[in-house]
Amino acid sequence: AQRVTQPEKLLSVFKGAPVELKCNYSYSGSPELFWYVQYSRQRLQLLLRHISRESIKGFTADLNKGETSFHLKKPFAQEEDSAMYYCALSAAGANSKLTFGKGITLSVRP
Amino acid sequence: DTGVSQNPRHKITKRGQNVTFRCDPISEHNRLYWYRQTLGQGPEFLTYFQNEAQLEKSRLLSDRFSAERPKGSFSTLEIQRTEQGDSAMYLCASSLHSGGAYEQYFGPGTRLTVT
Repeated sequence: AQRVTQPEKLLSVFKGAPVELKCNYSYSGSPELFWYVQYSRQRLQLLLRHISRESIKGFTADLNKGETSFHLKKPFAQEEDSAMYYCALSAAGANSKLTFGKGITLSVRP
Repeated sequence: DTGVSQNPRHKITKRGQNVTFRCDPISEHNRLYWYRQTLGQGPEFLTYFQNEAQLEKSRLLSDRFSAERPKGSFSTLEIQRTEQGDSAMYLCASSLHSGGAYEQYFGPGTRLTVT
């Protein structure tokens, strides 16, 4: 079975502070990990995926297979980063269903 | 093409009634997914299609739920004899399955309220 755990529901930081959104997963096979973001009144959209190893909007995430984690990080938060963030998992190469965590609300205060 | 569209955006129905939602994917996308999201939860997978074939159904999809994608384009999700527990946001997503990297593009969702 696939499971994604996001242990916190809310993270509130001041502008310019570092951000780390935690994600742990459980999957017996080879996973693909994603972070999706939902800004206020907008649809869910892909932020980044581990296989691309990109930095999007200053965010990065490294897959740690030993710790089964895929934490999302940004060194200096901006107010426009305030949103709901979901970690998701899919079976590698299968292009199939996503299993999502419960999500975390990031609030960046001025 | 403005992305994945879903209709209606909101639906209020009485318990016991049937409802049908529609999803129009991005035109060249061959895969279409349905998810359900309740308050405080992430989206939960319901079912997906490749072209017109329904390839996987979740155990969440009871006998009252049925989904179709008759011509491999738009899809419908029908809920028969609705229950209050069916109240949720129903999300549709589409992707292009080409063997390489992919992304699921989500629609705005249909919010169902069962009274």
